[in-house]
Amino acid sequence: GDSVTQMEGPVTLSEEAFLTINCTYTATGYPSLFWYVQYPGEGLQLLLKATKADDKGSNKGFEATYRKETTSFHLEKGSVQVSDSAVYFCALLRDGGATNKLIFGTGTLLAVQP
Amino acid sequence: GAGVSQTPSNKVTEKGKYVELRCDPISGHTALYWYRQSLGQGPEFLIYFQGTGAADDSGLPNDRFFAVRPEGSVSTLKIQRTERGDSAVYLCASSRAPRDTGELFFGEGSRLTVL
Repeated sequence: GDSVTQMEGPVTLSEEAFLTINCTYTATGYPSLFWYVQYPGEGLQLLLKATKADDKGSNKGFEATYRKETTSFHLEKGSVQVSDSAVYFCALLRDGGATNKLIFGTGTLLAVQP
Repeated sequence: GAGVSQTPSNKVTEKGKYVELRCDPISGHTALYWYRQSLGQGPEFLIYFQGTGAADDSGLPNDRFFAVRPEGSVSTLKIQRTERGDSAVYLCASSRAPRDTGELFFGEGSRLTVL
C-alpha cells in the first residue's frame, strides 16, 4: 500500500544552520505531496505542497521539490530559526482519490538552539 | 470559533469504560476527518464524513469505534470497552470540500489515556 518514510529525529541544529529533512514515498500513480508542521501546543498545519513531478512547494523559507525519479520530497531551509522548532510530517494524497485522506510519515522533531 | 475545536483535551479512563470525544469543525467546512496518532507515529486515518454521512470508515480499527455527525457540523467519536491499546491522541480535521487539494485544518487533539 501507499506509504511515507521520513528520517528519524530529533534533528538538533544551531540557529542559521541549513536544514534537510528527508522524505520518500511509495505510491501508485501520481500522488500529491505535502509537508505539515506541528508547533508546540498547536494543531498540525499545512506548510507546503506539490501536486506533480518537478513542482517545488515553498513557504516561510522552506522548500521541497517533488522528485518522481527518486520518489522523494525532501524539506529544506537555508537558515533555521529558533521559532522553526516543531515536528514536521511528510504526507501524500493518493492520485484520483475522492477525499483528503492523507497518509503521513512518522514525523521528525526539529530543535533549533540559539 | 476560528479553528477546529476538540474536547476534552485530555481524558483518562479505565479499561472497559466508554469514552466520547467531540469535534467542532470550522464553520462552513463540509468535510470532517478523524485521525489517531500513537506515540512516535504519524496520524493514521480513521473515518471521513461528508456532511452527515460517513463516506469512508475504512480506518476504524474494530467495531468498538464509532463516530457520528448528525447535523453535518459537530462530530463525536465514540469508543466502547476501551483497551490500553486505544491510548493515543485523537485528531479531528476539517476542510472546505471533499477534495480540497489536501489542505486539512486540524484541531489540537484529544489525548486519551486508558489505564
